Amino acid sequence: GAVVSQHPSWVICKSGTSVKIECRSLDFQATTMFWYRQFPKQSLMLMATSNEGSKATYEQGVEKDKFLINHASLTLSTLTVTSAHPEDSSFYICSAREVGTGGYEQYFGPGTRLTVT
Amino acid sequence: AQTVTQSQPEMSVQEAETVTLSCTYDTSESDYYLFWYKQPPSRQMILVIRQEAYKQQNATENRFSVNFQKAAKSFSLKISDSQLGDAAMYFCAYTDYGQNFVFGPGTRLSVLP
Repeated sequence: GAVVSQHPSWVICKSGTSVKIECRSLDFQATTMFWYRQFPKQSLMLMATSNEGSKATYEQGVEKDKFLINHASLTLSTLTVTSAHPEDSSFYICSAREVGTGGYEQYFGPGTRLTVT
Repeated sequence: AQTVTQSQPEMSVQEAETVTLSCTYDTSESDYYLFWYKQPPSRQMILVIRQEAYKQQNATENRFSVNFQKAAKSFSLKISDSQLGDAAMYFCAYTDYGQNFVFGPGTRLSVLP
């Protein structure tokens, strides 16, 4: 149980274009989903927290107009990187927390490697 | 703000031996959860073990156990009978009821055959 999928797993795009990454909880409902960015050999950096049906909460320093997050249902959240630039190249990971559980652990997707050329 | 520290950037262990990874944290909360996550080369984050702060008993999951010292704000992970598949980055994490989720910088564990 508690499986989170992420699509695509790898994407290359040209500078100036937009890219959408999907995060789905496959066998549970997620009240809250999280989006992280991870640089090589570093820890996860939280970008934003999204709750179903409401606006995402962005961490300080994260441009909300550049990284658009939508949490339209209890099983789907999307991250759109708008007008991508090479410095946006990174590994993006989503996670989800299950409705009604007391454990507060997060279940992670397999990640998306974004390369902007 | 809560912080999580892992003082060992890298560790190594001989196969079948035991290794302990250290984690300390700082919080003013009395109720919270602590986790150890594993990130193998595939980069898929895997939950290894969790500990509720209100529970005095240390959590155990098969070969993985923790030593939770609440007063010292210490949360170490012990891996017994280490296997080659245990080689990964290990992240200690803290949350106070989901409002803040903080990861440590990670410890890279190598398992030597």
